[in-house]
Order: sequence, then structure tokens, then C-alpha cells
Amino acid sequence: NAGVMQNPRHLVRRRGQEARLRCSPMKGHSHVYWYRQLPEEGLKFMVYLQKENIIDESGMPKERFSAEFPKEGPSILRIQQVVRGDSAAYFCASSPPGRGRETEAFFGQGTRLTVV
Amino acid sequence: TQLLEQSPQFLSIQEGENLTVYCNSSSVFSSLQWYRQEPGEGPVLLVTVVTGGEVKKLKRLTFQFGDARKDSSLHITAAQPGDTGLYLCAGGSGGSNYKLTFGKGTLLTVNP
Repeated sequence: NAGVMQNPRHLVRRRGQEARLRCSPMKGHSHVYWYRQLPEEGLKFMVYLQKENIIDESGMPKERFSAEFPKEGPSILRIQQVVRGDSAAYFCASSPPGRGRETEAFFGQGTRLTVV
Repeated sequence: TQLLEQSPQFLSIQEGENLTVYCNSSSVFSSLQWYRQEPGEGPVLLVTVVTGGEVKKLKRLTFQFGDARKDSSLHITAAQPGDTGLYLCAGGSGGSNYKLTFGKGTLLTVNP
């Protein structure tokens, strides 16, 4: 059973470009979470999605960031007009459906975004 | 804002020694997870504790959740070089159990 798959593992973007980070959850998992890990900081929650629904985006910056989890295909975290401060490791996690199973979240290997 | 403080921040020990790392908060959590993260990789879930006073053992690792569900500890017996890594605690609370609050971690180095 493959784990949470994120790609690309490393992404370099110039300031002002767009970054698209993809996440395929574990088989059977329908809940996806995105976290950001800045240098010298702990992981910070960004957004929680279920298929075709954003459940909680309270951790997302108000501008330039968006996330989706379509009916078919991976979850996408999109950052428009990237700035140097967006450089970080972005992790996706997934958990099985069912009340109370959020604590069974498993993380992917992350995408390391570098903005130059 | 909930915060999880982990201590020590860095720990370097010799193979075979025992160690304990701590995770403390002034907030109550409904669940607490411990993860290990290696450089360039994602966090790997080690254990979830949900009941105050709960103790879980995973081979040489012993996890404890405080009675008041505000703190936790991880004890490793006879540490091995393969235990080297960043140990993270993360708490979930109430109806937002999915929104984990992470500590900054304890970076453990076990020297052969």
C-alpha cells in the first residue's frame, strides 16, 4: 500500500511565478491536510480538504494561496506570484474517512519550494 | 493560540544510554501524537495517545500522556544510532482534532 505521494520533491521558482504542489493520498484515505514547515519553525497547519470540499482553510494566507481536492486526481496546493518568504517545505498528510480518525494522519515526504 | 514546547531542543548521547524528551503546554489536548522526522523526509507517526495518564510502549520507546492531557513524554531505553532524528509532538483539540499543533522538536543524535 503506497504511502502519501507528493511531487515534485523539489521545486525552484523565480519571484512572481506560480508554484503547483501535488499530493496523492494513501489508498482509501479521503481527507487531506497541508502543512508548511518554515526554517527554524514547527509545522503549521494550512488547510483541510475532503473530496471537492474545503473543510477548514484557517491556516492559509489570505492572498495568493489556494488548495483543491477534485473528485478525480490529486490534491493541489497552488501559490501564485511566489515571493522569497514562501520558500519552505510543504507537507501533505492524509487520513481515513470516519469520525475520530483524523489522528491517523500519515505524512508525505514533502515538497521543498525554493524561491529565487 | 495553543503552543507546544519541546525540551530539550538538542540532545546528543552515546549508544546504550537512556533518554527522555518532553512536550509541554498550558492547553488541554484531546489527542497527542509523536512523530520522527529524518532530514529531507516527512514526519513518520510513532504513536497516538488520547487518554489522560495513558502509557504506550513501542519496543524501546515509552510514551506517556499527562493526567491533565497538557503534556507528554517520550522515553527511549538503550538508544541506538538508528534512533537519531527529529522527534516532534503534535496535539489535536476538540472538534478540530485534524488541526495539529506541532512543537519545534527535539533533535536527537545517538553516537556509536
